Amino acid sequence: ETGVTQSPTHLIKTRGQQVTLRCSSQSGHNTVSWYQQALGQGPQFIFQYYREEENGRGNFPPRFSGLQFPNYSSELNVNALELDDSALYLCASSLDTYNSPLHFGNGTRLTVT
Amino acid sequence: GESVGLHLPTLSVQEGDNSIINCAYSNSASDYFIWYKQESGKGPQFIIDIRSNMDKRQGQRVTVLLNKTVKHLSLQIAATQPGDSAVYFCAEMSFGNEKLTFGTGTRLTIIP
Repeated sequence: ETGVTQSPTHLIKTRGQQVTLRCSSQSGHNTVSWYQQALGQGPQFIFQYYREEENGRGNFPPRFSGLQFPNYSSELNVNALELDDSALYLCASSLDTYNSPLHFGNGTRLTVT
Repeated sequence: GESVGLHLPTLSVQEGDNSIINCAYSNSASDYFIWYKQESGKGPQFIIDIRSNMDKRQGQRVTVLLNKTVKHLSLQIAATQPGDSAVYFCAEMSFGNEKLTFGTGTRLTIIP
């Protein structure tokens, strides 16, 4: 059974640029969620995708957007990068949207300079 | 790897002893709870979960206790090993709300 994989592992961008992060969900999982983890804090919910549609969103601005593909893989896009966007971005997949444990990848470390 | 949780509550336990990590939650509607372990440079790793219709659940060397009256969750790790050193997060979810809300985390250090 393949776990959640994310790419790239590290990324350095300049303020104002755009970035795309990718995630392959665990085999058999149809739900993907994205979280942002700042240094020293717990992960914060960005949004969830189920059946290729956004199924819930946290307190993040519209410049954070996502996609889910028919094979349940997902992308997180961030436009107009700001310095505060520097964080570890985690993707998690689950069997269902609720009452099912989320299994996380090892994240993408994004640094905005 | 990078550091996770630079200013977290810390707990140091002698190798072989049992450890208890506590978590308080505020949402009385929360009905699903998960404990995660996060090592430096890695994503959170699922340890054990519990639903609100239970007050105790056991796994391999781990036990989760849920007290809904006082909104408190604990993780007990038996016979701790050096590999148990990590940051531990509790997380909660409520029906109709898709997000997991994470606690602040506790850094557990096992002393050889």
